[in-house]
Amino acid sequence: NAGVMQNPRHLVRRRGQEARLRCSPMKGHSHVYWYRQLPEEGLKFMVYLQKENIIDESGMPKERFSAEFPKEGPSILRIQQVVRGDSAAYFCASSRFSQGATNEKLFFGSGTQLSVL
Amino acid sequence: QKEVEQNSGPLSVPEGAIASLNCTYSDRGSQSFFWYRQYSGKSPELIMSIYSNGDKEDGRFTAQLNKASQYVSLLIRDSQPSDSATYLCAVKENTGGFKTIFGAGTRLFVKA
Repeated sequence: NAGVMQNPRHLVRRRGQEARLRCSPMKGHSHVYWYRQLPEEGLKFMVYLQKENIIDESGMPKERFSAEFPKEGPSILRIQQVVRGDSAAYFCASSRFSQGATNEKLFFGSGTQLSVL
Repeated sequence: QKEVEQNSGPLSVPEGAIASLNCTYSDRGSQSFFWYRQYSGKSPELIMSIYSNGDKEDGRFTAQLNKASQYVSLLIRDSQPSDSATYLCAVKENTGGFKTIFGAGTRLFVKA
């Protein structure tokens, strides 16, 4: 009964390096959402993906950030040329159906804590 | 810009008391509302959802919704030290990608 799986749990990068965060949704779920959380702040929506499609990327910075959810394998959030301000907890959530369904809920992974030195 | 507003707290209540957490939202068309609990260093965990005006009870938790006032609240009865956490109010948009927007959270401390 695996939940939403994220890895790595902790990721340390130096400025200018690339960070790759992975998320495998719950079994049977085909909708993935990425959120970022800074210390003492709430979750900020970044991007919503279905298999092979980006549905809503309105919360994702236009530069350096990209996300994908291929037909096979986990969803990937990629941050190129990381800067100190990218340090945060990145949470992935999944749902079985589209969020357009009124009572569809999100299930969260354990998150990846990104630290940029 | 659609927003979800919460008092950041901290809210401190004695053990056994009722904790009252409040939330307002800006998207008048929203139909789905959630409360998540997040312990320090952990991921958010769904504790309540509510879709209709009025009260919804689940054990020691009661969610209250007033769409006319764009107001959601969570009551925790017989508060326990283990309830000490950050409580996140979340509202699902009713248009576009229907994404879920979170408030900044209210920190609750239950004193033994």
